[in-house]
Amino acid sequence: SQKIEQNSEALNIQEGKTATLTCNYTNYSPAYLQWYRQDPGRGPVFLLLIRENEKEKRKERLKVTFDTTLKQSLFHITASQPADSATYLCALGVRDDKIIFGKGTRLHILP
Amino acid sequence: NAGVTQTPKFQVLKTGQSMTLQCAQDMNHNSMYWYRQDPGMGLRLIYYSASEGTTDKGEVPNGYNVSRLNKREFSLRLESAAPSQTSVYFCATTQLAGGQETQYFGPGTRLLVL
Repeated sequence: SQKIEQNSEALNIQEGKTATLTCNYTNYSPAYLQWYRQDPGRGPVFLLLIRENEKEKRKERLKVTFDTTLKQSLFHITASQPADSATYLCALGVRDDKIIFGKGTRLHILP
Repeated sequence: NAGVTQTPKFQVLKTGQSMTLQCAQDMNHNSMYWYRQDPGMGLRLIYYSASEGTTDKGEVPNGYNVSRLNKREFSLRLESAAPSQTSVYFCATTQLAGGQETQYFGPGTRLLVL
């Protein structure tokens, strides 16, 4: 069956350290992968997109890697801050023009 | 630009009542989507509309109907609400650039069915 898996447990990271979130998928062949941020009581907000032929994408303190052989994406936040605390969703762009979301990982940056 | 707006923000219904959730966008996007988000389940697609005049079922369409009134508006109707439809509902639009979609979400409607 098709699955997208993200860490189901919350991730606690000390301020200033790098937070790394994982997204694994099975039985999909995504054209691209996205990461979204969601704060409590709000809708998801788009952060980054990485294409199937790209290995790494950066935006300010954010870095995403995409390994289509391992079927995995890693999302890194460097020099993490308490304001980075949120739920982070990965989403796959599949070939019938739909976007399939993972369940998200809650990230807590501890001051 | 308001982006994507949803009304109401919060609603309480009794089992069997009906209601319509409204969504409007001013981003001139063709595609619009309705998702529901439940704890532990993530975002699940209910219906989507690739363009004005077309609608298609998503992963969990049962118990819902939609109307794409025009390019700006996409409504979701619950004809006979059930407690299992208690959820947070998000409307989204997509920007398609270079064959890759980016979704823009509304603030959500929190629905409680008693």
